[in-house]
Amino acid sequence: QVQLVQSGAEVKKPGVSVKISCKASGYIFTTYFIHWVRQAPGQGLEWVGRIDPSDSGIHYSQKFQGRVFMTRDTSTSTVYMEMRSLTSEDTAVYYCARELDTTCYFDNWGQGTQVTVSS
Amino acid sequence: EIVLTQSPGTLSLSPGEGATLSCRASQSVIRSTLAWYQQKPGQAPRLVIYGASNRATGIPDRFSGSGSGTDFTLTISRLEPDDFAVYYCQQYGASSFTFGQGTKLEI
Repeated sequence: QVQLVQSGAEVKKPGVSVKISCKASGYIFTTYFIHWVRQAPGQGLEWVGRIDPSDSGIHYSQKFQGRVFMTRDTSTSTVYMEMRSLTSEDTAVYYCARELDTTCYFDNWGQGTQVTVSS
Repeated sequence: EIVLTQSPGTLSLSPGEGATLSCRASQSVIRSTLAWYQQKPGQAPRLVIYGASNRATGIPDRFSGSGSGTDFTLTISRLEPDDFAVYYCQQYGASSFTFGQGTKLEI
């Protein structure tokens, strides 16, 4: 069955970077885009960006341009998201989710990774 | 960026009743890019409707989606206890994905 399994919770100080992962299984890794969506405490969902695992093509939300970097490792079917210059506003649960080739919806989601930014 | 506004913010109903959730866009949305998700506390969102009116795998036919342009609706008939959750609409346009702020469906 399709699974997106994310790395564990992170606690970081303001100004540093965090890198979290999303390991895919149960389908052909290169046939679906992987997106990152975050949810601040008690808030709604916010799109961060996406990567095309077939060619590493990137599309970031303008809000995060220059501060977020997504990469993939096809040998392990894993996508990584690094966010730099963290502030307390980045405290959130980060979800990865997959999208089939520009269908514009997310049919499977990871379990989420809590990122806490605190001094 | 296209802004999605959901109403009401909270909907209080009883099992067996019907629910109507609204999603209004700040500009016209391509129908095929409109989706609805259900989220329960401590869980990831779950796809309910895609392409404005297509049910996702495993979603019962009590759930239906409709609408076009700037106005979209998620209708849930004969509410069951498992349906009570937060529902988000989402669209893709102007090179960005955006979500509504959510409607909490509570007992």
